[in-house]
Amino acid sequence: DAGVTQSPTHLIKTRGQQVTLRCSPISGHKSVSWYQQVLGQGPQFIFQYYEKEERGRGNFPDRFSARQFPNYSSELNVNALLLGDSALYLCASSLAGVEGTNTEAFFGQGTRLTVV
Amino acid sequence: AQKITQTQPGMFVQEKEAVTLDCTYDTSDPSYGLFWYKQPSSGEMIFLIYQGSYDQQNATEGRYSLNFQKARKSANLVISASQLGDSAMYFCAMRGEDSNYQLIWGAGTKLIIKP
Repeated sequence: DAGVTQSPTHLIKTRGQQVTLRCSPISGHKSVSWYQQVLGQGPQFIFQYYEKEERGRGNFPDRFSARQFPNYSSELNVNALLLGDSALYLCASSLAGVEGTNTEAFFGQGTRLTVV
Repeated sequence: AQKITQTQPGMFVQEKEAVTLDCTYDTSDPSYGLFWYKQPSSGEMIFLIYQGSYDQQNATEGRYSLNFQKARKSANLVISASQLGDSAMYFCAMRGEDSNYQLIWGAGTKLIIKP
């Protein structure tokens, strides 16, 4: 069975541009979460989606948006890119829609975004 | 607010030795979950082990065990008989109601296993 897949793996964009990152969850998983991991730090939560609805949002500006499709895949969009948006963007899928303390998240390999 | 602290930015360990990676946490939730993930240079977060706040026994998964000391709010990862393939970043994370059940992460520890 395929794990969580993310595309593209690497991306270079210019300041002010817009970017779309894609994620396909594990088959059967209906929940997708997005995390930003700046170099040298732990991941920071951006969004969670379940059944196409936003279930959670981290402390990120409105330049960040996301959506989930009927097949449970997801896109993360970032507008008006800043140098500080350079990071590894991780997607995680899980079975549960209502997260519990023991919900295990399965991660993709991430998209490494560089803004120049 | 929930917080995870990993005080060891980097560690060097001789192959086949045991290693302990430190993690302390802060939360006011009575119920929470603690996780350890491994991140190789490829970037993927690999789940290693889970400990629930109400679990009586320390979690174990193969060579990984979690030294859970609830009163001290610590959840240290112990890797026995380290291997070269264990070289990676290791992250401690937690979930609880206080964070709306989203994962809160520490800054990580870079572990390098020497041959």
